[in-house]
Amino acid sequence: AQSVTQLDSHVSVSEGTPVLLRCNYSSSYSPSLFWYVQHPNKGLQLLLKYTSAATLVKGINGFEAEFKKSETSFHLTKPSAHMSDAAEYFCVVSGQTPGTYKYIFGTGTRLKVLA
Amino acid sequence: GAVVSQHPSRVICKSGTSVKIECRSLDFQATTMFWYRQFPKQSLMLMATSNEGSKATYEQGVEKDKFLINHASLTLSTLTVTSAHPEDSSFYICSARKGSMGQPQHFGDGTRLSIL
Repeated sequence: AQSVTQLDSHVSVSEGTPVLLRCNYSSSYSPSLFWYVQHPNKGLQLLLKYTSAATLVKGINGFEAEFKKSETSFHLTKPSAHMSDAAEYFCVVSGQTPGTYKYIFGTGTRLKVLA
Repeated sequence: GAVVSQHPSRVICKSGTSVKIECRSLDFQATTMFWYRQFPKQSLMLMATSNEGSKATYEQGVEKDKFLINHASLTLSTLTVTSAHPEDSSFYICSARKGSMGQPQHFGDGTRLSIL
């Protein structure tokens, strides 16, 4: 069975400081992992994806995430937060075989950026 | 690339009305489309998965006769909420995936459905 845990429901950072959003996963199969961002009353936008290539994945808007198999983690980072980064972030795990391809969502982390 | 358009963005209607929501992949062919429901301050709940030309697969607890899904082409899926009631009020989001199972889903902007 697959599962994903986002360790923080809320994170607050000051503008210009680093962002760290934590995600741990569980999967019996070789997983695909994704980070999405959702602004209020909007759909989800793909930030980045890991699909068994490079373990350090670079995404849009300066975000990146590192796949660490030994720690079963896929934390999202950004060196310097922008006010526009304030949103809800979802970590997602998906398998790559029939029966495991559905998205399993984390519960989300709400990022607040303080001026 | 990979743009998904969802329409309408907001619907307000009376109880008993049926409402149709469209989901279109604008610049790619979507082998699979998904419909989700999102409650306030919660994550997304998968309602059903649809493949072009075949019947949708509904998740446990989702009423097939209440939420009709049609995936008539590789670029269009529709969700019809039949005889909607206030408890059907929610944020509905579609997504589309091209190619193999490891590919990401691309999401529409959602539809806010309010039943009076």
